[in-house]
Amino acid sequence: GAVVSQHPSRVICKSGTSVKIECRSLDFQATTMFWYRQFPKKSLMLMATSNEGSKATYEQGVEKDKFLINHASLTLSTLTVTSAHPEDSSFYICSARDLQGTEAFFGQGTRLTVV
Amino acid sequence: DAKTTQPTSMDCAEGRAANLPCNHSTISGNEYVYWYRQIHSQGPQYIIHGLKNNETNEMASLIITEDRKSSTLILPHATLRDTAVYYCIVRVAEYGNKLVFGAGTILRVKS
Repeated sequence: GAVVSQHPSRVICKSGTSVKIECRSLDFQATTMFWYRQFPKKSLMLMATSNEGSKATYEQGVEKDKFLINHASLTLSTLTVTSAHPEDSSFYICSARDLQGTEAFFGQGTRLTVV
Repeated sequence: DAKTTQPTSMDCAEGRAANLPCNHSTISGNEYVYWYRQIHSQGPQYIIHGLKNNETNEMASLIITEDRKSSTLILPHATLRDTAVYYCIVRVAEYGNKLVFGAGTILRVKS
């Protein structure tokens, strides 16, 4: 199946700093990618839909100035957690779909720890 | 997208078939049934999907009832590595349509 790669897989940062997470579709183009976060023992919560060349669409309750999304090319979307705080510590996962297929593929996730 | 209902958890003996049920009684005619699983600390993995016919691939089989109000994911010979959370999702297959995850079923395969 298609491959979606996230980087980094783990990151520890200090409170107040910003962290950028990359999501790449390695062997297909994706005009739309999705960002999720997941707390321990909880299900995935959709944060936003990333659209190539236009603004992301955020789910209700997700702060767009806190979680900046950029989808500058057909194979790359980035999520920047700005001014991170310990409560932003979570597992962040991206997803993308091949234009030709019907199933979504997920990255391996990024474990963010804010200290 | 239609809502799904899955059991919270299930146990299965290694080597036996694991049958995971999903109820989706409000499914619309153009909504597909998708199954994903998530092994601990990894991103979800696509397993299979179908519209109304039963489907089989190298990972699993998907049995959809004739009225499409429920389905069953079958892992024919479960292994310890199949221990994961299994998510049943119904959605229109249109590109750009988001996947919304429910609580899923925790499957524990035991030796």
